[in-house]
Amino acid sequence: GAGVSQSPSNKVTEKGKDVELRCDPISGHTALYWYRQRLGQGLEFLIYFQGNSAPDKSGLPSDRFSAERTGESVSTLTIQRTQQEDSAVYLCASSRRTRRTEAFFGQGTRLTVV
Amino acid sequence: TQLLEQSPQFLSIQEGENLTVYCNSSSVFSSLQWYRQEPGEGPVLLVTVVTGGEVKKLKRLTFQFGDARKDSSLHITAAQPGDTGLYLCAGAEPDDYKLSFGAGTTVTVRA
Repeated sequence: GAGVSQSPSNKVTEKGKDVELRCDPISGHTALYWYRQRLGQGLEFLIYFQGNSAPDKSGLPSDRFSAERTGESVSTLTIQRTQQEDSAVYLCASSRRTRRTEAFFGQGTRLTVV
Repeated sequence: TQLLEQSPQFLSIQEGENLTVYCNSSSVFSSLQWYRQEPGEGPVLLVTVVTGGEVKKLKRLTFQFGDARKDSSLHITAAQPGDTGLYLCAGAEPDDYKLSFGAGTTVTVRA
């Protein structure tokens, strides 16, 4: 596609349920990033993929959070047993692996846990 | 600990004033980018600087990359309300080009 696509754009879930957030990166972009952004705050790094491996998953806040990527394509961020503090916008970005490494972001998924 | 430290965290100025946002690190980057994020949107790339000492201008915005490729600044001249947003810097690490983002500077320009 022309840009990074994230789905769903909005998700309301009950506390304790599992959710899956999807990211379709730009074709040919080997690097993929997931970030969390709480209201009025900056980006909180979650995980970085290079191809389908995740050399840096240091930002995942707990073992309830996991992510996977199929080849150099779609990535899924899964949050199990959601808690209210998981409510935030989850942003995905992709980039080429070059010196310039310019990231392109999706519109984000707004997750609300009630 | 953030690899890139941005300052200030918040900045509120009157229309027509100038402002500067700083992005500092003890690490060397192969390139550095600045992004702007408006409410409800994802961050959008403004500029990429690659060469130490490089200066780039984008209308009223001036971006500078430090000589040692460890820091950068963003200067806005005669700020307008449309400049309001979250400004983020990001550096690409030399080994694998992984991007690291600063925490961001929230700029509010009052009419």
